[in-house]
Amino acid sequence: QVQLVQSGAEVKKPGASVKVSCKVSGYTFSDYYIHWVRQAPGQGLEWMGWINPKSVTTNYAQNFQGRVSMTRDTSISTAYMELSGLRSDDTAVYYCARQGHCSSTRCQKYFQYWGQGTLVIVSS
Amino acid sequence: SYVLTQPPSVSVAPGQTTSVTCRGNNIGRKNVHWYQQKPGQAPVLVVYDDSDRPSGIPERFSGSNSGNTATLTISRVEAGDEADYYCQVWDSSSDHWVFGGGTKLTVL
Repeated sequence: QVQLVQSGAEVKKPGASVKVSCKVSGYTFSDYYIHWVRQAPGQGLEWMGWINPKSVTTNYAQNFQGRVSMTRDTSISTAYMELSGLRSDDTAVYYCARQGHCSSTRCQKYFQYWGQGTLVIVSS
Repeated sequence: SYVLTQPPSVSVAPGQTTSVTCRGNNIGRKNVHWYQQKPGQAPVLVVYDDSDRPSGIPERFSGSNSGNTATLTISRVEAGDEADYYCQVWDSSSDHWVFGGGTKLTVL
């Protein structure tokens, strides 16, 4: 079965960087885009961007441009999201999510599989 | 950027039918997807492409989309349906994904 397993909680100081991993199993890693979505405490879902594991192309939300980097290691079927210049308002649960299938003509633009989430706390 | 607007909260008695709306400019031209999120858990897809259900999602969950409003309808509401519900679309003009602000469903 499809699984996305994320790394554990992190506590970081303001200005630092955090790198969250998302290890997938149950399907061919390169065949599906991986997205990152975050959720601040008591708040809604916020889309951060995606990585195409096959081409290594990325697409980031405007709010994170210049601060976020999404990468992958196909040898271990793992995607990474690194956020730099952390601020207290970056405190959130960060999720990875697998986009639906893309054919040559159409992509399913929803997320059927999600990681369990990684809590990142930014505090001095 | 494209904006999706949801009511902050909706309340319903068990056994009744309720709807959660998601408003956006000409949203009827987009495919809308809905997620259910319970406290401390990751979101779960309950409706995709406006009105389709993933396997394992009860038929009580249905969706529609027209004009400027998409709607998630839950019939015969159960206590276990109490959760936050989020709509989501893909904005083709920016190639960005967008979530609504979420609606907290309370089962009375």
